[in-house]
Formats: sequence, C-alpha cells, structure tokens
Amino acid sequence: NAGVTQTPKFQVLKTGQSMTLQCAQDMNHNSMYWYRQDPGMGLRLIYYSASEGTTDKGEVPNGYNVSRLNKREFSLRLESAAPSQTSVYFCASREPGTVNQPQHFGDGTRLSIL
Amino acid sequence: QQQVKQSPQSLIVQKGGISIINCAYENTAFDYFPWYQQFPGKGPALLIAIRPDVSEKKEGRFTISFNKSAKQFSLHIMDSQPGDSATYFCAASMRGANNLFFGTGTRLTVIP
Repeated sequence: NAGVTQTPKFQVLKTGQSMTLQCAQDMNHNSMYWYRQDPGMGLRLIYYSASEGTTDKGEVPNGYNVSRLNKREFSLRLESAAPSQTSVYFCASREPGTVNQPQHFGDGTRLSIL
Repeated sequence: QQQVKQSPQSLIVQKGGISIINCAYENTAFDYFPWYQQFPGKGPALLIAIRPDVSEKKEGRFTISFNKSAKQFSLHIMDSQPGDSATYFCAASMRGANNLFFGTGTRLTVIP
C-alpha cells in the first residue's frame, strides 16, 4: 500500500522554466490537496480538489495551476517559476466523512528555483 | 494572517522529560484540532486529534489538552524519547470543511 506518491523528489529549475509536480494516491480518496512548506510558515494550502472534476484555490494560489486528472491523480503546475516558489511541496489526500478524517501526506518534492 | 498560532518555534527536552507545545486560535467555528508529526525528509502524519466537546484526549504518551474558553490547545509528550525528535504541527478545521489551517510548527529535539 503506497499511500500518496509524489514525483519527482527533488528538482532544480531556472527562473522562468515550467514544470509539473505529480501526485497519485491509491486509497480511493475523494479529496486531494497541494501545500507548500516554508521555514517558519508551516504548511500553506495552494489548491485543493474536493472530488474528481473540481478544484478550488487555497491560501496561496498565485503562480500555480492544478489539474485533477482522475480520482487518483492531482498535479501542480508552475508555468513560469520564480525564486519565491522555492519550497517543499506536499500533496495530501483525505476521505471526507461525517467526522473529520485525517489527511495523508506524501513525502514531498523539494524544489529549488535559481 | 495566521489562523492558528503555535509556540515555541523550537524546543529541547531531556530524555524522560515532558514536552509541551501550545497553540491558539481565534475562529470559534473551528471544531477539529489535529496534531501532525513530521520527521526529516517525510511528510506530516496524523498523531492525535481532538474535538472541542472534550477537554483532554490521551493516546499513550501523547495528550492533547483543550481549553475552549481560552481558545487554546496544547500537546504534551510524557517521558519524551529521542525518537520523538521531529517537527510538530497543530492544525484546525471547521465542520464539513475540506481544508486544514496549520500552525507554523515546533521543532522538538530530545537529548539523551
């Protein structure tokens, strides 16, 4: 049982380059999330998808786009990378229910933009 | 604006001691308060969670204390062990909401 899988694990980009971060979950969860983690700022929500076919902005969506490809996969795209987007990116998934369910996180993508 | 404020930023505790991490919130619509534990190079993982209808929840050496009137909650780690060294995040969410609001994290180091 792999849980939430993120690729790549590390990436270095030049300013202005584009790239897509991939996330897949095998827990049949409806909801998926993208966060960024920066020192002293905790985890901040970029985008989330409550179910297949829907996406919503989180706290820090500027400079990012997302695609919920199917129930399993949720990708994050940087169209024109900027140094301020240097961060560790985490994908998470969750099964909604009448009682709050925990979010399950991948191990992150460490992205450096020069 | 940080919806959940967490302190301290870092904490060093001797083996066998008690580690205490505090969080505070303003939004009274929050009704679910989880704590996540993160080891270096890994994603956060749910440690323990509480709802505001109880004042305390204990799971092994980990206890959440919740003070609804003060809008504060804290994580206590009893008999802290070097294996507990990690970053801890408190969080909060509203009933039926999809997203969590995280604190800024506390880096705990337990020294032998």
